[in-house]
Amino acid sequence: QKEVEQNSGPLSVPEGAIASLNCTYSDRGSQSFFWYRQYSGKSPELIMFIYSNGDKEDGRFTAQLNKASQYVSLLIRDSQPSDSATYLCAVNSGGSARQLTFGSGTQLTVLP
Amino acid sequence: EAGVAQSPRYKIIEKRQSVAFWCNPISGHATLYWYQQILGQGPKLLIQFQNNGVVDDSQLPKDRFSAERLKGVDSTLKIQPAKLEDSAVYLCASSLTGTWEQYFGPGTRLTVT
Repeated sequence: QKEVEQNSGPLSVPEGAIASLNCTYSDRGSQSFFWYRQYSGKSPELIMFIYSNGDKEDGRFTAQLNKASQYVSLLIRDSQPSDSATYLCAVNSGGSARQLTFGSGTQLTVLP
Repeated sequence: EAGVAQSPRYKIIEKRQSVAFWCNPISGHATLYWYQQILGQGPKLLIQFQNNGVVDDSQLPKDRFSAERLKGVDSTLKIQPAKLEDSAVYLCASSLTGTWEQYFGPGTRLTVT
C-alpha cells in the first residue's frame, strides 16, 4: 500500500513568517508530487506541483523535492491569514492512469 | 469556464437507506474521479473513469457502492445500503486526458445517522 505521510498539525505561524509543511512518501517509484490547499468546508485546489529534485518557486510558494530521502516540502513565505487552510500532499500512483494518493493534510493557521 | 458541478451539496440519511450523488465534469474533461474524504483525512480515490469506461475501481466497496458514467459525461455514485462509516464528503474531480491537474467539485457532504 503506497503511503503519504504528513504532520497533521495544527501548525501555527505569525503573519509574515515562513510556514514549512513536510511530506514523506513510501513508493520510491513516484515521479510527480502535488500540493493542494483546502479551505475549511471547501474542495481541494492545486497550488504547486514538482517533478524534479530541487526547488520550484511560484510567488510566495516554494516546493522542495528530495527523491533520495523520499521527502517533499512546501514553504510559504510572508504567510498571510488568508493562507490558513489544510495543505494536502499528493503523490502519483496508479502508473499511467494518473491517479493521486493523498496524505491526511497539515492544518496551517497564520496568526495576525 | 464552468467548474465541476455536484449535487446535492448535503444529504442526511438513516443507515440502510440508499443515496445517489451526481457529478458533471468540466466540458471536455474525459477523465473523472470519485473520492471519499472522511473528516480529518485526505481524499481517497474510489473510482476513476476514462470517458464511459472504468479505469480503476479497486478501492470501491462494490458490495454497497456503484458508479456509472454511461454517456461519458456526467456520472452518478450510489450507496445502497448506507452504513454509519459512509459519513464523509464525496468529491468528484475531472481532468483532461494525459494531464495531472485535477479540478474538484464542491463535494457532497453525507451524514448517515
